[in-house]
Amino acid sequence: NAGVTQTPKFQVLKTGQSMTLQCAQDMNHEYMSWYRQDPGMGLRLIHYSVGAGITDQGEVPNGYNVSRSTTEDFPLRLLSAAPSQTSVYFCASTLPPGPEFFGPGTRLTVL
Amino acid sequence: TQLLEQSPQFLSIQEGENLTVYCNSSSVFSSLQWYRQEPGEGPVLLVTVVTGGEVKKLKRLTFQFGDARKDSSLHITAAQPGDTGLYLCAGGDGGTSYGKLTFGQGTILTVHP
Repeated sequence: NAGVTQTPKFQVLKTGQSMTLQCAQDMNHEYMSWYRQDPGMGLRLIHYSVGAGITDQGEVPNGYNVSRSTTEDFPLRLLSAAPSQTSVYFCASTLPPGPEFFGPGTRLTVL
Repeated sequence: TQLLEQSPQFLSIQEGENLTVYCNSSSVFSSLQWYRQEPGEGPVLLVTVVTGGEVKKLKRLTFQFGDARKDSSLHITAAQPGDTGLYLCAGGDGGTSYGKLTFGQGTILTVHP
């Protein structure tokens, strides 16, 4: 099993550009989440999903869109990147009541 | 909005010393998880505590969940340089909120040889 995979590992965008951060898991987990990590602020939940076709907002959803068409994939879309979205993004998955598994992260810089 | 206050934010100690990291909230959580994160990697789960007053031990690490399920602590005995890293606590609500974790700010631990 590859676990949770994320691509790309690094990305630089210009303000106003759009992009999609990819996340995939091969553990057949129903629950998937996106977090962002900023210095001194821990991880903050952006969006999460409890199954294919079901998504909900987390603590900091503005500027991000998600969809969940399959159990395996949970992409995060930035429609118009802003410098405030410079961060490290982590995708996670879990099958309750099991542990949360995190991907290796995507480091995004918006100029 | 639930908040988790983690302290201290930075901890720099010598090998062999003991340390405690605290995680406090005014909210009740159904579970409290502790993670360790290395630079350039995602957090890795160390332990989950779910019962008020619960104590779990993982080698030299001792985790405790407060009786009211609002706070938790991580105690490391005889710290080693290999313990260096970022430690994060995270609270969960369970049920359909299972995948929604509230994280503390993290504690950066440095253990000097």
